[in-house]
Amino acid sequence: QKEVEQNSGPLSVPEGAIASLNCTYSDRGSQSFFWYRQYSGKSPELIMFIYSNGDKEDGRFTAQLNKASQYVSLLIRDSQPSDSATYLCAVKEPGANNLFFGTGTRLTVIP
Amino acid sequence: DGGITQSPKYLFRKEGQNVTLSCEQNLNHDAMYWYRQDPGQGLRLIYYSQIVNDFQKGDIAEGYSVSREKKESFPLTVTSAQKNPTAFYLCASSMRQGNTEAFFGQGTRLTVV
Repeated sequence: QKEVEQNSGPLSVPEGAIASLNCTYSDRGSQSFFWYRQYSGKSPELIMFIYSNGDKEDGRFTAQLNKASQYVSLLIRDSQPSDSATYLCAVKEPGANNLFFGTGTRLTVIP
Repeated sequence: DGGITQSPKYLFRKEGQNVTLSCEQNLNHDAMYWYRQDPGQGLRLIYYSQIVNDFQKGDIAEGYSVSREKKESFPLTVTSAQKNPTAFYLCASSMRQGNTEAFFGQGTRLTVV
């Protein structure tokens, strides 16, 4: 059974702060990692993907991957109230085409 | 516009009835998926299909059935054997090869009345 684990939260941060979201995965062979944002009652939308160890930055978002520790994180700088949502971590194994999702972390940015 | 279309957005089912949720994509994606989401929970995979006329069970396939007669379409039937069908159902698609992400439809909220 593939496992992708996230802290369900809720995680609350003040506006302008850095929000840090974490995800661990069980399959050491996993190669593709995705972060989705899901607003209440809506479908998930892709924020970032990362394939290589290290950091990947896109605007206020930074994804960090450490394959040795089987750990992927998402940092949101200068958090805004509009960032309040559930963030889902997803992992794809080599040769597989389905994504395995974590349960998501609910983030609240307090104005 | 390219995308994934799910219908209906809201669906009500009486106990003992089968209902079919529609999912259509015009992204030319080979792979399609159905996920179920319960309140406060993550996504759980029901079925997925990588090519036409082929599909595989996911983690919670019992009480569900699918077909993949066309590349663009992957309907999900929730049968009377599914004892707790009230949930948010999400359809997604992706390219079959490579490290590509899945794109989601807008979801169907199914309620048993």
